[in-house]
Amino acid sequence: ELKVEQNPLFLSMQEGKNYTIYCNYSTTSDRLYWYRQDPGKSLESLFVLLSNGAVKQEGRLMASLDTKARLSTLHITAAVHDLSATYFCAVDIDNDMRFGAGTRLTVKP
Amino acid sequence: DGGITQSPKYLFRKEGQNVTLSCEQNLNHDAMYWYRQDPGQGLRLIYYSQIVNDFQKGDIAEGYSVSREKKESFPLTVTSAQKNPTAFYLCASSLNSLPYEQYFGPGTRLTVT
Repeated sequence: ELKVEQNPLFLSMQEGKNYTIYCNYSTTSDRLYWYRQDPGKSLESLFVLLSNGAVKQEGRLMASLDTKARLSTLHITAAVHDLSATYFCAVDIDNDMRFGAGTRLTVKP
Repeated sequence: DGGITQSPKYLFRKEGQNVTLSCEQNLNHDAMYWYRQDPGQGLRLIYYSQIVNDFQKGDIAEGYSVSREKKESFPLTVTSAQKNPTAFYLCASSLNSLPYEQYFGPGTRLTVT
């Protein structure tokens, strides 16, 4: 069974600092997705990574995928308060999408 | 505007009552999904449908039922057999081809007392 693990589950950062969220998964896949969820809201798609070595960047967020290591990272550069949210990674195998438990990020002034 | 709508946003029911949550999409997506999210938790798959008139159970289908009579619609019924129905329910849809990215509706928060 496909398992998806994120760490850390909780992350408190100072504004301006950098940090990385990790997403490990148990079965070979080359389809990985990152989503953002604000409190009480739905999920918003951030990145779609579809091949080994894929790297996508949007603003202060950069996501990468290493299918050989079964690892994706979400790197936050110079964090700002607006990035406070819960971030989920999800891995898809044959239309069976599994979500990680989420990383709750709090960015403090 | 293309998107996914869920209604209602908030729903309150008494124990023992069945309740149906609506999910409609106009993205022309083939596949639709229902997830449950409990406070502070990730998403768990209830049911999914890749084509009209066909659907499969997810990890936590017990106490739930669905139908897929139209491509645009995938309603979820929470039955009285569901032991702990209070949760946030999210509907999603995707193409049946790359990139398989799922788009989510705004969610329905169900409270059963």
